[in-house]
Amino acid sequence: EAGVTQFPSHSVIEKGQTVTLRCDPISGHDNLYWYRRVMGKEIKFLLHFVKESKQDESGMPNNRFLAERTGGTYSTLKVQPAELEDSGVYFCASSQSPGQGNEKLFFGSGTQLSVL
Amino acid sequence: KQEVTQIPAALSVPEGENLVLNCSFTDSAIYNLQWFRQDPGKGLTSLLLIQSSQREQTSGRLNASLDKSSGRSTLYIAASQPGDSATYLCAVRRDSNYQLIWGAGTKLIIKP
Repeated sequence: EAGVTQFPSHSVIEKGQTVTLRCDPISGHDNLYWYRRVMGKEIKFLLHFVKESKQDESGMPNNRFLAERTGGTYSTLKVQPAELEDSGVYFCASSQSPGQGNEKLFFGSGTQLSVL
Repeated sequence: KQEVTQIPAALSVPEGENLVLNCSFTDSAIYNLQWFRQDPGKGLTSLLLIQSSQREQTSGRLNASLDKSSGRSTLYIAASQPGDSATYLCAVRRDSNYQLIWGAGTKLIIKP
């Protein structure tokens, strides 16, 4: 069974440019999450999709970030325009449909984003 | 506001020793607590999940405990091996939503 895959694994862009990160969750997983870790800080929640709907986007830092999950399959996270403080590792995770809320999360390897 | 703290930030022990990693959280109203492992350049792997009603979970050489009232969890690793070297993170899920609140992690090095 394929795990959660993220693309690209690394991205180096200049301030002001646009970058789009992609996440393919495990097939059949309705829940998809985006997290990020900036240098020297804890991992922070960004948002949560249930199928194609945004269940919780309270962690999105500002309107330069746009997440989509058309058709409830893969998800993209676009940063436009990128700023220096956006640098970090962006993780995607997926889980099956909520049962009692103790579903195991499966994480991708992350995208290392460097904004110069 | 929930805050999760992990101590120590780094730990180096000889192979074969038993060790304990610590995680503390400020708000006891949690849904569950999870321990993850991260290897360099790789994703996060879920090790153990303890529901709020549970006291501990075990998987192989790993044992995680949870004391909600004191806001603490420990991850016990028995008979450590060099392959256990990684960063270990704990994360707490709040009651009201699916967000995980993370600690900064403990970087563990097992010396052969």
